[in-house]
Amino acid sequence: EAQVTQNPRYLITVTGKKLTVTCSQNMNHEYMSWYRQDPGLGLRQIYYSMNVEVTDKGDVPEGYKVSRKEKRNFPLILESPSPNQTSLYFCASSFQGQAYNEQFFGPGTRLTVL
Amino acid sequence: QQQVKQSPQSLIVQKGGIPIINCAYENTAFDYFPWYQQFPGKGPALLIAIRPDVSEKKEGRFTISFNKSAKQFSLHIMDSQPGDSATYFCAASLTGFQKLVFGTGTRLLVSP
Repeated sequence: EAQVTQNPRYLITVTGKKLTVTCSQNMNHEYMSWYRQDPGLGLRQIYYSMNVEVTDKGDVPEGYKVSRKEKRNFPLILESPSPNQTSLYFCASSFQGQAYNEQFFGPGTRLTVL
Repeated sequence: QQQVKQSPQSLIVQKGGIPIINCAYENTAFDYFPWYQQFPGKGPALLIAIRPDVSEKKEGRFTISFNKSAKQFSLHIMDSQPGDSATYFCAASLTGFQKLVFGTGTRLLVSP
């Protein structure tokens, strides 16, 4: 089954404790992206990657890191989480080239930073 | 301007009603306008999309109306059903770019 998976689905952590949210897709997509979803703000892009070893900042990159060492994986790293990073996070992937290539979203990771 | 403004924030209709969700944009370089549907506990999924060379696109009970001169587009759901209860996001993208700019979302509740 074609899908984007994320782990963990739920995470409660404390300020300053490094964490990684994993994202994996099995559709051979070049483009991958991370979003955060907050009430009243919609979906905002954090980072994206157009292919292996090619990453760039989205609209809200502060406090986040990413890496793309393999085509299928695109982990999101919070090196020193803060309470304002409490949010619902989504990973998405699509074929590279044009925006009308459908983006497939993962099931989401709900993160709470105390 | 990269923003896409979406309204209303929430909407309640009775079964069989026709909810309408509106979006407006500023950047005339946007050339692709998808709508994503999100059920509770799930990620968004593409519902329907339109390019600016047409004024309307229909897929089943879902219709996008596009007004290029007004820089507005809207989603209409005909004969709405309780199963349509979800959050709907409009989005837009720039020519040649993969990135989607999302609206703030509309939470739709269709009562039985």
